[in-house]
Amino acid sequence: AQKITQTQPGMFVQEKEAVTLDCTYDTSDPSYGLFWYKQPSSGEMIFLIYQGSYDQQNATEGRYSLNFQKARKSANLVISASQLGDSAMYFCAMREGGTGTASKLTFGTGTRLQVTL
Amino acid sequence: EAGVTQFPSHSVIEKGQTVTLRCDPISGHDNLYWYRRVMGKEIKFLLHFVKESKQDESGMPNNRFLAERTGGTYSTLKVQPAELEDSGVYFCASSHSGGRGTGELFFGEGSRLTVL
Repeated sequence: AQKITQTQPGMFVQEKEAVTLDCTYDTSDPSYGLFWYKQPSSGEMIFLIYQGSYDQQNATEGRYSLNFQKARKSANLVISASQLGDSAMYFCAMREGGTGTASKLTFGTGTRLQVTL
Repeated sequence: EAGVTQFPSHSVIEKGQTVTLRCDPISGHDNLYWYRRVMGKEIKFLLHFVKESKQDESGMPNNRFLAERTGGTYSTLKVQPAELEDSGVYFCASSHSGGRGTGELFFGEGSRLTVL
């Protein structure tokens, strides 16, 4: 079974609107971490946001927030006030094991986001 | 601080040839990872070095792939002989060891391999 599922291969959003990119995960490890990375057309993978399995509050980083619903095993990325520069591929990933351990990440297949005028 | 650098950015070779990809991690990062993304599929883990030692190589597809990390600094990934299905983007990443950090991986820009 897939450990990270991103069901949206592509998404469109208008500039200045908010968009939610879906991610569900599967693990039996009580301690894990969830990551979102952005891959623009230039190719590099840019870290956006992190959520630990024991974190009580949803993570936020500027315009990015992570809607963490532990019981549903979902970790959706919300981008507020979309900008043209947000157009990119977005990957959800999971690390099994607690913080302080080395990270072997399992990735989803990604969602391509296109921001339009 | 320099990020993770990978070379070459793109390599086109014929089936049966050899290719060597290089990764220079962020200075001071003990952990170095190789990942691969085949077109349209998820990014998959290949292996993990801690300094010069292979910690986990469970993702290596077969014995045509050889990774080394001499002296615990840069790493190379050699594919010999290359097959068509080896085409994809090979990412290198590095991270800190221990501490209470998130374990965030810092990725390079990837090396795109095309096998004809």
